[in-house]
Amino acid sequence: SQQGEEDPQALSIQEGENATMNCSYKTSINNLQWYRQNSGRGLVHLILIRSNEREKHSGRLRVTLDTSKKSSSLLITASRAADTASYFCATDENTGNQFYFGTGTSLTVIP
Amino acid sequence: DVKVTQSSRYLVKRTGEKVFLECVQDMDHENMFWYRQDPGLGLRLIYFSYDVKMKEKGDIPEGYSVSREKKERFSLILESASTNQTSMYLCASSPFSGNTIYFGEGSWLTVV
Repeated sequence: SQQGEEDPQALSIQEGENATMNCSYKTSINNLQWYRQNSGRGLVHLILIRSNEREKHSGRLRVTLDTSKKSSSLLITASRAADTASYFCATDENTGNQFYFGTGTSLTVIP
Repeated sequence: DVKVTQSSRYLVKRTGEKVFLECVQDMDHENMFWYRQDPGLGLRLIYFSYDVKMKEKGDIPEGYSVSREKKERFSLILESASTNQTSMYLCASSPFSGNTIYFGEGSWLTVV
């Protein structure tokens, strides 16, 4: 089954810095989503980007999608300690019925 | 607000027991999912359902079954729990295919 792979596995930055994490996938997709998970909690949806879109913004979040490289990136600008969490990308197969998740990037923002 | 509720946050069960994990969504969503999350392995899809009484196997259905008798409720059943099923289980729902998935808070299951 297809699965997104996030990179890096772990990232530690100072408060105020930008954080960038990447996701690569193997086959064609309809949609790609980014989720956030605080320790021991469920996942919370951040952004959905469709295959015909190249960039989306939501507040301090910016997501890009390059279908030719089969990759996406999530940029968090002006990070805060509260952004400390794990971030996952999820990709669907062309049927769109299922989303497959990667293993996540663990982000630590140091105050 | 969207709400997916998992009935048990923490459970401890004995090997061989039958275990039920219940999930309810209040958004009239068509699709419901059960994932398992383990360190270093990410989220793996166990089963999903796109309609009442319909189910499809995910990547790791062995040792699990599901039930969806009503649209809002999706149950995960471990017929005979084993220690390798110790994990965090996440229920989720979405309004239709390819759309945002909403997750519950997770159920931590320990099998001893």
